[in-house]
Amino acid sequence: NAGVTQTPKFQVLKTGQSMTLQCAQDMNHEYMSWYRQDPGMGLRLIHYSVGAGITDQGEVPNGYNVSRSTTEDFPLRLLSAAPSQTSVYFCASSESQGSYNSPLHFGNGTRLTVT
Amino acid sequence: AQSVAQPEDQVNVAEGNPLTVKCTYSVSGNPYLFWYVQYPNRGLQFLLKYITGDNLVKGSYGFEAEFNKSQTSFHLKKPSALVSDSALYFCAVFGGGADGLTFGKGTHLIIQP
Repeated sequence: NAGVTQTPKFQVLKTGQSMTLQCAQDMNHEYMSWYRQDPGMGLRLIHYSVGAGITDQGEVPNGYNVSRSTTEDFPLRLLSAAPSQTSVYFCASSESQGSYNSPLHFGNGTRLTVT
Repeated sequence: AQSVAQPEDQVNVAEGNPLTVKCTYSVSGNPYLFWYVQYPNRGLQFLLKYITGDNLVKGSYGFEAEFNKSQTSFHLKKPSALVSDSALYFCAVFGGGADGLTFGKGTHLIIQP
């Protein structure tokens, strides 16, 4: 049981490039989400999904796209990378978002640098 | 809108002493409160939660937290600190609605041998 798996662990992009951060979970969780972590700012929600085929925006969605074609996978796409998107990105999942009785399970993160 | 405040960027405690990491929150409805811990180069790990019931919640690794509704606080505590408790600790709140889970900015806990 791997939990939440994120790839790659590290990535360097040039301004304007695009890329996809991968996230997969093997716990059959309905809820999945993407956060970014910046020093002194805690974690901020980018996008989330309450089930396959359903996505919604979080606090800081601009510059990012997501899709949820299967329960297991929730990729995050950077359309045109900007230096302001330099951050550590975390994917997280939980059994149920509605009741919030279930804690979030986090991946180990992707450290992204945009030059 | 809901919010979480962790007033201390860093807390220093000697090994064996009790520790407290402070958290206050603001929500319009009944709060769901959580503590998570992050070790270097890792994702966050769930420690404990308060949904309803007893104000004192016990969690992993000997940690506990006390919910105080009148003071809108949810401080994390441990009776005797270990060097291995050194990490970054996040408080989080969910107040219902579409806001999702809101995290505090985190508190670095440093346990000195």
